[in-house]
Amino acid sequence: ETGVTQSPTHLIKTRGQQVTLRCSSQSGHNTVSWYQQALGQGPQFIFQYYREEENGRGNFPPRFSGLQFPNYSSELNVNALELDDSALYLCASSFFSGAELRAQYFGPGTRLLVL
Amino acid sequence: AQRVTQPEKLLSVFKGAPVELKCNYSYSGSPELFWYVQYSRQRLQLLLRHISRESIKGFTADLNKGETSFHLKKPFAQEEDSAMYYCALSHHSLNSGGSNYKLTFGKGTLLTVNP
Repeated sequence: ETGVTQSPTHLIKTRGQQVTLRCSSQSGHNTVSWYQQALGQGPQFIFQYYREEENGRGNFPPRFSGLQFPNYSSELNVNALELDDSALYLCASSFFSGAELRAQYFGPGTRLLVL
Repeated sequence: AQRVTQPEKLLSVFKGAPVELKCNYSYSGSPELFWYVQYSRQRLQLLLRHISRESIKGFTADLNKGETSFHLKKPFAQEEDSAMYYCALSHHSLNSGGSNYKLTFGKGTLLTVNP
């Protein structure tokens, strides 16, 4: 069973730039969630994708967007980067039956630094 | 709104001593709670899920709805238990995008088990 993978592991960008982070979900999973973890904080929910559509969003502005592909992999895009976007971005995959979501399994994260 | 509180940022115990990591939650519905653990330089891993009522690595956690708590306990701590522990609550919501489950995390407790 292949676990959740994320790329790249580290990234440095400057303010105003755009970034794309990638996630491959665990085998057998159909749902991907993205979380932002600032230093010293627990992960915060950004959004969730199921059946290639966003089906839930946390308190993040529209410049945070995403995609889910037919193979259930996903991208997180952030436009107009701000210094406060510096964080660890976590992807979590799970299986959603339509009635119940099973436990979420996390990738290793992408550490983004905005200068 | 749902909230998870882990009152202790740091917890230090000696090997062989009992350990209890506290977690309190606020949620209007029927909660589903998890403990995640992050060992040094490793990804966030699922440790326990309250509905499973299982013991993993000697850890147990009981949901107390009266006290809105889900404390993590282990009778005899081991040095390899040293890690960051996060309590998380799964929140189900319906919106225009569909049904989604998001995890709300506490800020985490860093457990250090001394020899």
